[in-house]
Amino acid sequence: KQEVTQIPAALSVPEGENLVLNCSFTDSAIYNLQWFRQDPGKGLTSLLLIQSSQREQTSGRLNASLDKSSGRSTLYIAASQPGDSATYLCAILQGGSEKLVFGKGTKLTVNP
Amino acid sequence: DTAVSQTPKYLVTQMGNDKSIKCEQNLGHDTMYWYKQDSKKFLKIMFSYNNKELIINETVPNRFSPKSPDKAHLNLHINSLELGDSAVYFCASSQRAGVGEAFFGQGTRLTVV
Repeated sequence: KQEVTQIPAALSVPEGENLVLNCSFTDSAIYNLQWFRQDPGKGLTSLLLIQSSQREQTSGRLNASLDKSSGRSTLYIAASQPGDSATYLCAILQGGSEKLVFGKGTKLTVNP
Repeated sequence: DTAVSQTPKYLVTQMGNDKSIKCEQNLGHDTMYWYKQDSKKFLKIMFSYNNKELIINETVPNRFSPKSPDKAHLNLHINSLELGDSAVYFCASSQRAGVGEAFFGQGTRLTVV
């Protein structure tokens, strides 16, 4: 059974800092990994999708990496801004499955 | 244009009532999902439909009944609501089952009193 863990549960940083959010998973037989952002009272916004054959994906100030062998993914946010404050969720699509398995998220606060 | 839209956004109802949440996607996707986010913010799948056919039913009480009239719509009907059903329910879609990026709706916050 796939389990997804995100550490830390909460993170507070000053504006402008570069930061890394971590996601680990127990079963490396994944199809893809997706990073989402959730703002309070809002839905999930897809940030980056990494296929199992890929090592990283980039979008603007965001860079996600995937290391299947070690069961880890990181989301790197460069030059953080207060608008980046949100909960970041990592989700795994298991090979042969049709459902996403989510971590519990990291709540990020970027202080002006 | 909203890709995945669900209504209502908020729903407050009494125990024992029956309620429905509607979801529509305009992405042309084949697969739609219902996820539940509990009070601890943990997201778990409930159901998945592929081209109107149920493909995932994740040990959800049978008071919850999804209905997919066509592949662009997936509604969730809940009978005899209980306090423990209070949660945020998210609809999502993807191009095909187990393939591609998943897109989520804004969520429906259900409060049972």
